[in-house]
Amino acid sequence: DAGITQSPRHKVTETGTPVTLRCHQTENHRYMYWYRQDPGHGLRLIHYSYGVKDTDKGEVSDGYSVSRSKTEDFLLTLESATSSQTSVYFCAISEPGMNTEAFFGQGTRLTVV
Amino acid sequence: DAKTTQPPSMDCAEGRAANLPCNHSTISGNEYVYWYRQIHSQGPQYIIHGLKNNETNEMASLIITEDRKSSTLILPHATLRDTAVYYCIPKREEYGNKLVFGAGTILRVKS
Repeated sequence: DAGITQSPRHKVTETGTPVTLRCHQTENHRYMYWYRQDPGHGLRLIHYSYGVKDTDKGEVSDGYSVSRSKTEDFLLTLESATSSQTSVYFCAISEPGMNTEAFFGQGTRLTVV
Repeated sequence: DAKTTQPPSMDCAEGRAANLPCNHSTISGNEYVYWYRQIHSQGPQYIIHGLKNNETNEMASLIITEDRKSSTLILPHATLRDTAVYYCIPKREEYGNKLVFGAGTILRVKS
């Protein structure tokens, strides 16, 4: 597996609380991504980053924010968790270019009660 | 958009070749076709990618038609551990390297 670590791997939190998920890579890849996966929807992009302090929204970014202050870390924050954000979250990394593959972390299972 | 069409599910006997088709009829000339798979509860795993030539690696072979409108992923000797969802994804330059996942094909390898 590529050097991608997601933490925590599992979390249960209450509605309305802030939650931060961390993605840490040791590959020095420039691009990083956060996806969520729900039954019936497949993987959907939340936010992505093309470098330190360079982030942008994906297709399902409402209710989420991200930060990337170092190449190796990409943080996803749920500012006020809702039950609709119960999901499995995957981080991915890649290098720039059309001819480069992405590598995914093992996922964080988040339950909002 | 280079929309993709994959069968929702396929079965394959263990030890036989699994051939997973993908139609991407609107693919552009500079768009690579990527294949990933996701084994239950795990993160997606890169398998192989190609532009217009056939490709082979230790996991699979990728056959791309000459008009590039479709491709086939071949797992030469499927095992039970190959049971997974397989995604065919054209990589769009205008998407800035982002991968857009569809529903994929559920491959069930049976003994």
